[in-house]
Amino acid sequence: EIVLTQSPDFQSVTPKEEVTITCRASQSIGSSLHWYQQKPDQSPKLLIKYASQSFSGVPSRFSGSGSGTDFTLTINSLEAEDAATYYCHQSSSLPWTFGQGTKVEIK
Amino acid sequence: EVQLVESGGGLVQPGRSLRLSCAASGFTFDDHAIHWVRQAPGKGLEWVSGISWNSASIGYADSVKGRFTIYRDNAKNTLHLQMHSLRAEDMALYYCVKDSSSGSLGGAFDIWGQGTMVTVSS
Repeated sequence: EIVLTQSPDFQSVTPKEEVTITCRASQSIGSSLHWYQQKPDQSPKLLIKYASQSFSGVPSRFSGSGSGTDFTLTINSLEAEDAATYYCHQSSSLPWTFGQGTKVEIK
Repeated sequence: EVQLVESGGGLVQPGRSLRLSCAASGFTFDDHAIHWVRQAPGKGLEWVSGISWNSASIGYADSVKGRFTIYRDNAKNTLHLQMHSLRAEDMALYYCVKDSSSGSLGGAFDIWGQGTMVTVSS
């Protein structure tokens, strides 16, 4: 099983700051890495697919990069509505796995 | 509107069975793999099972293998998860999720339902 490790687990950020969340895979997964946002009491929403492809309707301040084992989700100029937990997910090999999540709080 | 609506959750005793269902609309159901992902209260996301468009490819998490069965009815645009021998650790919100890839397993999860809660308790 491929283990995804996100860092940090928690981040408290001021609006307009840049946020960077990393996801490290226990073995190479190419670009089969996706990012989701989950707000309290809501279902997760897809932000980025295949490491760097923005999903339809997602604000341009969200971007992704990386390949192999190291990936990054960047939120440029954080807005209050971005307070949420962010998860990475790999679809390279079964079983599909998720990172443990990174909670972003707005100061 | 693309939509996935889960049903079938509820309170069940340990060791008993439950069947979850997912009704899909707004997209060509048999063009896509569909998955179940669960989330225990206050915890992260866990992939449970997935099935390709034609049911030829099926996968399960180790934690449910041998106890859960996923199947789909393309004529009725529905997905099911038959769960047997339920345990306390199966208690979670179960999401039905659409795979973004065309037919096979292995894409991003682009559409999520609202989830159906399974509570396992005596």
